[in-house]
Amino acid sequence: AQKVTQAQTEISVVEKEDVTLDCVYETRDTTYYLFWYKQPPSGELVFLIRRNSFDEQNEISGRYSWNFQKSTSSFNFTITASQVVDSAVYFCALSETLRSNTGNQFYFGTGTSLTVIP
Amino acid sequence: DTEVTQTPKHLVMGMTNKKSLKCEQHMGHRAMYWYKQKAKKPPELMFVYSYEKLSINESVPSRFSPECPNSSLLNLHLHALQPEDSALYLCASSLRTSGTDTQYFGPGTRLTVL
Repeated sequence: AQKVTQAQTEISVVEKEDVTLDCVYETRDTTYYLFWYKQPPSGELVFLIRRNSFDEQNEISGRYSWNFQKSTSSFNFTITASQVVDSAVYFCALSETLRSNTGNQFYFGTGTSLTVIP
Repeated sequence: DTEVTQTPKHLVMGMTNKKSLKCEQHMGHRAMYWYKQKAKKPPELMFVYSYEKLSINESVPSRFSPECPNSSLLNLHLHALQPEDSALYLCASSLRTSGTDTQYFGPGTRLTVL
């Protein structure tokens, strides 16, 4: 079963529009961590945010914001006033505590490819 | 500084060649990882090193041989690869070996096997 689902495969928006990328996860752990990474065409996975399961406060960082809702097992990512430089593939990931002391393993979603059209 | 470096950026090799990929971090991280990523797919975990010891091998063929000479360096030795091994190879590191730390990724090596 897929532990992290990113149902949106590709999204296109016009510059300055807001866009929300969805992420739904599945876990039986009570303690877990959720992440978002950005992968521009250059290939590097850029870390954006880490959120633990006990912290449901929404977070805002500039034009980026994240909405974590345990009740719906979702961790959605919104870009406000999108820019061309936001064009990338965005991955949501889940890390569980069951595999401690061996190096954590991420369960990645399949990614959402965002294209911002000028 | 959250930098992980990888060399080379691009590599083209024949099926009989032997080559190595290198990864380096100076963040004091004790866990290091190799991932393989095919186009339009998420990264797939290959190996995990914890305190310079191999802790996870995700059933990777023996033509891929990892090595961790010290806590800052991670190598991936390649031998007798197949064309289907062409992919982006990503290295990552995290601070501790607990299950919850952020992984920081390098820029990757784009490998083409002819």
